[in-house]
Amino acid sequence: NAGVTQTPKFRVLKTGQSMTLLCAQDMNHEYMYWYRQDPGMGLRLIHYSVGEGTTAKGEVPDGYNVSRLKKQNFLLGLESAAPSQTSVYFCATSWGTSQPQHFGDGTRLSIL
Amino acid sequence: AQSVTQLDSQVPVFEEAPVELRCNYSSSVSVYLFWYVQYPNQGLQLLLKYLSGSTLVESINGFEAEFNKSQTSFHLRKPSVHISDTAEYFCAVSEDTGKLIFGQGTTLQVKP
Repeated sequence: NAGVTQTPKFRVLKTGQSMTLLCAQDMNHEYMYWYRQDPGMGLRLIHYSVGEGTTAKGEVPDGYNVSRLKKQNFLLGLESAAPSQTSVYFCATSWGTSQPQHFGDGTRLSIL
Repeated sequence: AQSVTQLDSQVPVFEEAPVELRCNYSSSVSVYLFWYVQYPNQGLQLLLKYLSGSTLVESINGFEAEFNKSQTSFHLRKPSVHISDTAEYFCAVSEDTGKLIFGQGTTLQVKP
């Protein structure tokens, strides 16, 4: 039982390149989230999904897109990477609105 | 809008001493409150949660937190810390929307 799996774990990009981060869960949770973590700022919500086929903007959505075509997967895309997007990205899932979130181990992304 | 303030960015403490990590939130409605712990190079793990009922909640590894509605606080305490408690701790609040708002984090440094 893997829980929440993020791929890749590390990536270095050049400014302007694109990439997709994958989050896969085997817990059958409806809700999925993408956060970024930066020193001294805690975690900030980028986008989230309350079910298959749905997505919504979080606190810092600019420069990112997401898709939830299958219940178990939540993809985060960077169309044209910028140095300001250098961060650690975390995916999380939960049963519902009042329930704790379960986190993956993160993706460390550096943009040069 | 919701916000969460963790009043200390770093808390150094000697092993076996007591510790308190402070968390205040702002919200005009009922909230759900969480403490998460993050060990180096890992994702966040749920430490404890307050959803309703008793205002004092406990974790399996000796931490406890008390929900104080009048002071809008959810401070985390442990009567005797171990070296293994060294980590970053995050307070988070949810207003039944499924979205978590995190504090900036507190680094607990336990010294021998």
